Amino acid sequence: EDKVVQSPLSLVVHEGDTVTLNCSYEVTNFRSLLWYKQEKKAPTFLFMLTSSGIEKKSGRLSSILDKKELFSILNITATQTGDSAVYLCAVGTSTYKYIFGTGTRLKVLA
Amino acid sequence: EPEVTQTPSHQVTQMGQEVILRCVPISNHLYFYWYRQILGQKVEFLVSFYNNEISEKSEIFDDQFSVERPDGSNFTLKIRSTKLEDSAMYFCASRLWVVPNTGELFFGEGSRLTVL
Repeated sequence: EDKVVQSPLSLVVHEGDTVTLNCSYEVTNFRSLLWYKQEKKAPTFLFMLTSSGIEKKSGRLSSILDKKELFSILNITATQTGDSAVYLCAVGTSTYKYIFGTGTRLKVLA
Repeated sequence: EPEVTQTPSHQVTQMGQEVILRCVPISNHLYFYWYRQILGQKVEFLVSFYNNEISEKSEIFDDQFSVERPDGSNFTLKIRSTKLEDSAMYFCASRLWVVPNTGELFFGEGSRLTVL
C-alpha cells in the first residue's frame, strides 16, 4: 500500500528559529513530491521535486529530495508568525493520484 | 491569477439527502480531482478525472459517489445519500497536462459539508 509519512506531527518554535520538516514515502512508480502550506482552507503550493539532490529555494523556504532513501525535507529559516500553518507533503505517482501525508502543524510564537 | 472555484462554501444537509458540490477548474487544465479532509485528519484522495472519464478512484469513492463534467467548465461531485461520516471539507483540484505526468495540483477553497 502506498504510504506518505510526515514528522514531526506538530512543532512549536519561536520567531527566528530554523525548522526542518520531514516527509518519507513508500509508493510504487514515484513521479514527483510536492509540498503545500495549508493555513485556513485550501493548500497552497510551495515546491515540486522530481530529482534527487537538487535544492529548490523560495525566500526562507527550501526543500530537497532523496530518491534513494525515499524522503524529502522542507527547511524554513528565520521563522515568522506568518509561517504558522500545516505543511503537507504529497507524492505523485505514475497513475493519476497524489497521496498526502498527515501533515506537520507548525506554530511559530512571537 | 487563474484559480479553481468551488460552490457552495458550506452546505448543511440531513442524512440520506443528495448533495452536489460544484467546481470550476482552471480553464486550460485537463486533469481534475476531488479530495476530502475530515476535520483534523489528512487530505484523502477520492477520484481523478481525465478526458471525460474517471481515471482512478479510491476505496472511499463507492457507489454513493459520482462525478460529472456536464459542460466545458463545471466538474461536479454528487453524493447520493449522505451519511454522517461524509461530513468533511471537499477540495476540488486541477492540473495542467504536463509530460511526464507530473505537475502541481491547484486547489479550490473547499466546500465544507456537514451532515446532520
